[in-house]
This record gives sequence, C-alpha cells and structure tokens, in this order.
Amino acid sequence: AQSVTQPDIHITVSEGASLELRCNYSYGATPYLFWYVQSPGQGLQLLLKYFSGDTLVQGIKGFEAEFKRSQSSFNLRKPSVHWSDAAEYFCAVGRYGNKLVFGAGTILRVKS
Amino acid sequence: ETGVTQTPRHLVMGMTNKKSLKCEQHLGHNAMYWYKQSAKKPLELMFVYNFKEQTENNSVPSRFSPECPNSSHLFLHLHTLQPEDSALYLCASSHGGRSEYNEQFFGPGTRLTVL
Repeated sequence: AQSVTQPDIHITVSEGASLELRCNYSYGATPYLFWYVQSPGQGLQLLLKYFSGDTLVQGIKGFEAEFKRSQSSFNLRKPSVHWSDAAEYFCAVGRYGNKLVFGAGTILRVKS
Repeated sequence: ETGVTQTPRHLVMGMTNKKSLKCEQHLGHNAMYWYKQSAKKPLELMFVYNFKEQTENNSVPSRFSPECPNSSHLFLHLHTLQPEDSALYLCASSHGGRSEYNEQFFGPGTRLTVL
C-alpha cells in the first residue's frame, strides 16, 4: 500500500535562506505526487504536482520539487524563503480509488 | 463564488446538539471528500463520494452522517458528538473516477468545538 513519510516535523529557516522539505513515498509503480500548503486555520492549497515527464516540476509561490525514483523521494525546494511561507506543508501520493495518502506534515517556521 | 466553500467556518456545539456542515464546489467535479484534521494527528479521510455514491467510509462513528444530494453539494450531519470530535473538518473535491491521479481542491474548513 502507498505511504508517505515526511521525516521533519518542524523546520526553522531564516528569511532569505534556501529551503528543502523532504518527502519519501512507498509505491510500486510511477506515483502521482503532490505538495500542499496549509496556513493556520485554512484549507490545503496545491503547490505543485508530478505525474509524468520532467522530474523537476515548478509550482506556485516560487516552489519547485524534484522526483527521484531511485530514492523514492519528492523533495520540495525554494531558493529564498519569505516570512509569508511560514505554514504547514503536506506531501501526498495518489492512491487507487480516487484518494490521496498524505504525510504527517512539516511545519515551517521562518525567522527574521 | 469559486472553488470549494464551506459553511459555517466556526461551530461550537454541545454534546446533545444536532448540526450540519455544508460544502459546495463550483469546479464541475464529481467526487467530494470529508477529512478530519485534529491537532498533532495526520489528516484523516472520513468519507468519499464519487458521482453521488459513497465509495469510502473510513470506519467513521455513526454520529457522523454524510449526505451528497448532487455532485456540487456535500453535507456532514452531526449528532451527539464527543469532545474528542473537536477538530478542523475539511471538504475537498476532484474529478470523479477510481484513478490514482487525484488532484483535490480543498475548502477552508469548519473549525468545530464540542463542549
């Protein structure tokens, strides 16, 4: 069965620094992968998705993610973090039956 | 209105009350979902509706009763809840079907507090 692991519960970065959030998935075939962001008290917003083709995908708000099949990873990156990026980030993999399997989330704190 | 809307945004209820949460999607989708998000717990899928048919009930207690009258609307009827049911309830929608390619769009959630 599909599963998603986000090894970091919390990450703190300085404003302007680069960011990488880790995501590892378990799935036999080519996965459909997603990153969502959730601001406090809000719903989840899709940042980017991967389903085929170029393994480096661009998303909204300056985020990108790279799919690495050999490492079963789909890490999220941003070259320069802004204070408004502070939020919780969820990685997810598509599952048969029109469902998503979510990781536990990573809370990003940005210090000025 | 665009996207996925949820009402009310906040709800406080006693354990003996009956209330309903409403979700509406304006995206032309055919699948809708209820999730529960509690503090310090992973997102929990509760129910899935595909083309108005319930296709998933993730062992949810019967005090939660979903209703999907059409592809655009989804309700969650609540009765005799417990304090541990306090959480953020999220609604989502997507294209219908059974595939693994499932881009879901989320509403802002209803923050439920059970006293």
